[in-house]
Amino acid sequence: ETGVTQTPRHLVMGMTNKKSLKCEQHLGHNAMYWYKQSAKKPLELMFVYSLEERVENNSVPSRFSPECPNSSHLFLHLHTLQPEDSALYLCASSQGTSGGRTDTQYFGPGTRLTVL
Amino acid sequence: AQSVTQPDIHITVSEGASLELRCNYSYGATPYLFWYVQSPGQGLQLLLKYFSGDTLVQGIKGFEAEFKRSQSSFNLRKPSVHWSDAAEYFCAVGATQGNLIFGKGTKLSVKP
Repeated sequence: ETGVTQTPRHLVMGMTNKKSLKCEQHLGHNAMYWYKQSAKKPLELMFVYSLEERVENNSVPSRFSPECPNSSHLFLHLHTLQPEDSALYLCASSQGTSGGRTDTQYFGPGTRLTVL
Repeated sequence: AQSVTQPDIHITVSEGASLELRCNYSYGATPYLFWYVQSPGQGLQLLLKYFSGDTLVQGIKGFEAEFKRSQSSFNLRKPSVHWSDAAEYFCAVGATQGNLIFGKGTKLSVKP
């Protein structure tokens, strides 16, 4: 595998379910990100991890819980979601640590989440 | 406040015609600017980026962009569009925490 991979690619869940999204980067990067892409809205940053420590939490509801066990893996744990949480969730990684405004981010293909 | 504006939600051009996608940014410090493309069902792919130096930057797939500080713009251009260029295009600025602030995107359709 190369680049950034995400699993599953599609997920349908009920509001009472608990599920997890997985992201893995094979680029040797130090920073990883979760973005949410909803229809007709800009991509929204959710979380930033640098060297496995969270450095940014963009006022995301607690029903979204990130986990970064090592620099190659990033998870997004989901529980008691709402229908408005249906979106494409994109993972990205970049070389630098926090503050790397010039770092190119490499994106995975995303997980299309539908909450019923 | 930091922001990126892409005024055009949807643009249709004929194959072989030239293309310009508009992007305006608002950022207090030196902007680091990016253009990404997203094909249906795919993640985002970097087309090009501007950090400093020559204000005309070349990217992949024949795209280029010009940084104009006086107009706070970073418009994307291509002299001759191909049907495979149909996709959604996102302009972004690098923010303090290392994340990207994106515009809402411009969807490009290509007529045969």
